[in-house]
Amino acid sequence: DTEVTQTPKHLVMGMTNKKSLKCEQHMGHRAMYWYKQKAKKPPELMFVYSYEKLSINESVPSRFSPECPNSSLLNLHLHALQPEDSALYLCASSQGLSYTEAFFGQGTRLTVV
Amino acid sequence: RKEVEQDPGPFNVPEGATVAFNCTYSNSASQSFFWYRQDCRKEPKLLMSVYSSGNEDGRFTAQLNRASQYISLLIRDSKLSDSATYLCVVTLWSNTGKLIFGQGTTLQVKP
Repeated sequence: DTEVTQTPKHLVMGMTNKKSLKCEQHMGHRAMYWYKQKAKKPPELMFVYSYEKLSINESVPSRFSPECPNSSLLNLHLHALQPEDSALYLCASSQGLSYTEAFFGQGTRLTVV
Repeated sequence: RKEVEQDPGPFNVPEGATVAFNCTYSNSASQSFFWYRQDCRKEPKLLMSVYSSGNEDGRFTAQLNRASQYISLLIRDSKLSDSATYLCVVTLWSNTGKLIFGQGTTLQVKP
């Protein structure tokens, strides 16, 4: 089973709202990732968690706040977003950082109004 | 210079054609190499890993040339369902887990 599950699939939020994106995997992977993808562009790395600890933050604005409650779950908390933050947010996981055959969830399509 | 470069295409080919995609990477400290496939408005899906010895999976063949820092993907007997964007992906020896994506090559297979 190479499944990474993300919820919700679609999200529309106002600039003053607070919302959270959720990601879950049951493959026993110890590395989890958040990527952001704009239309006709490749995914861009936002955050990397390894063994539930944040290992990379690609200079992401603080209005995006990641959380890894346990080895299977990854959240992305959103607050005071801007319209330009509208994108497809992809969660991925891999066995570890050095074996980076990564599997992606189906993504959350976020629209900020 | 981009870290991973691909010809964006689009490549428009008839069913049954053979098509080849190329990818170059700039960092000689690159460790692992992959091809992902992404359908419109869907997530990237791992197509195959790429090894120095080359590898084949059905109609798909991937090659890696470390000396030239070059990766290729060959698709034989193209199907309509092969229409997608193909992403060349590289990781570094630094073991950060970070996937470095090329811009993607769009393939459209026509009847």
